Formats: sequence, C-alpha cells, structure tokens
Amino acid sequence: GAGVSQTPSNKVTEKGKYVELRCDPISGHTALYWYRQSLGQGPEFLIYFQGTGAADDSGLPNDRFFAVRPEGSVSTLKIQRTERGDSAVYLCASSPGGQSNSPLHFGNGTRLTVT
Amino acid sequence: GNSVTQMEGPVTLSEEAFLTINCTYTATGYPSLFWYVQYPGEGLQLLLKATKADDKGSNKGFEATYRKETTSFHLEKGSVQVSDSAVYFCALRASGSARQLTFGSGTQLTVLP
Repeated sequence: GAGVSQTPSNKVTEKGKYVELRCDPISGHTALYWYRQSLGQGPEFLIYFQGTGAADDSGLPNDRFFAVRPEGSVSTLKIQRTERGDSAVYLCASSPGGQSNSPLHFGNGTRLTVT
Repeated sequence: GNSVTQMEGPVTLSEEAFLTINCTYTATGYPSLFWYVQYPGEGLQLLLKATKADDKGSNKGFEATYRKETTSFHLEKGSVQVSDSAVYFCALRASGSARQLTFGSGTQLTVLP
C-alpha cells in the first residue's frame, strides 16, 4: 500500500507567517511522529501521537509549535509566527504501534524555508 | 538522557572496499537499536535493527551487532557498491514509556567506481 505522505513537499514563507504541514500516515498505523531535520543533522523528535492523543510532546521547541491528529489518522503540524530558525525539513513517521522494536516508516518530508 | 554518537563523515570509499561506520549510544535500560539510510532525494528507510544484546541485524549485505558491554552498534559491509552511496543514521528507541527514536547526526558515504 501507500507509504507515509507529506504535503506540501516544499513550503516557502515569510518570517512571522503561520504555516501548516500535513502528514497522511500508513493506513492502520496508530502511532505517528513528527521530527525536524536541520541541514547536516539527524532528525530531532518533536511529538508523538498514539491514536488521537499526543502521548509525548516534549520535543516541541516552544509554544509556537502545535500538532493535532483529530481522527487518529491525518496529522497537521502548525507553526505560528515563523522564524528563520524554523527552516528545516519536517519529517513525519508512522508505525503500527508504540512498541520499542517496531520500526518507523518515514515520509519524504516537507522542506520549510522561512525568509 | 538518551544519546547516539556516530562517526563523523564524510566517508569516501572505492567500490568493493570494506565499510565500518561506528556508532555508540547512551541509554537507560535496554533500548532497541536501528540503522536508517537516506538515499539522495528519498526519505529515511530502515536498513536493519537489533532489539537485544548480542543480536545481529542484517540486510542488503550490511550487518551490525548490538554490543551492550561497549554500548555500540557499528555498521559494517564487506564490499560496498556505488549504489550504497547515501547518508546513514544510527538510532535508538528506549524501552519503557519513551517511544521516540533518538538519532545520531548521520554519516555521508560516497562510493566511487
């Protein structure tokens, strides 16, 4: 079946604007993750959903970042008052459950550029 | 907290050379360990995993052994190909309530014909 789908693939926005990034996980996967990857770095954890609820949002850098998953499937990462430092590739991943040995399936990411 | 330290790149090898990319970790309990690969223009893909001490993960000729005594999970391949050129990430996933992956900074591998 289809993999994890992220839209848009690229987003350019001006400093101070609001953006929404969408993730469509693999069908039936209950766990969903958002990561941020800066150039030359490994992905950094932002937030993890199990079903509709955020089970762990300890990676969100500040209150400008928020994510929802209202029906336990599609998730939206929302960034308010964007800053140039928010420029990065935002990755979404899903897995069948939250077990520690369950591999994550990643999307291709959304490249966000804040000018 | 949990952390992963991996060999800095970039690494450049000739085709058929032997590859080692070092990875060590810090974690409480008994984490699961992973290698992910990112080919040019593609998303992260799971390459191999090991879930307990002394387990060996293997895939596409790559291997890594979970060594608890040295807290290491080094990636090896006996004979690399040009198509192995990619960025390789070591990662751990802690046991217990934490469910997210913690990644290393990645190692860029370029294989020349």
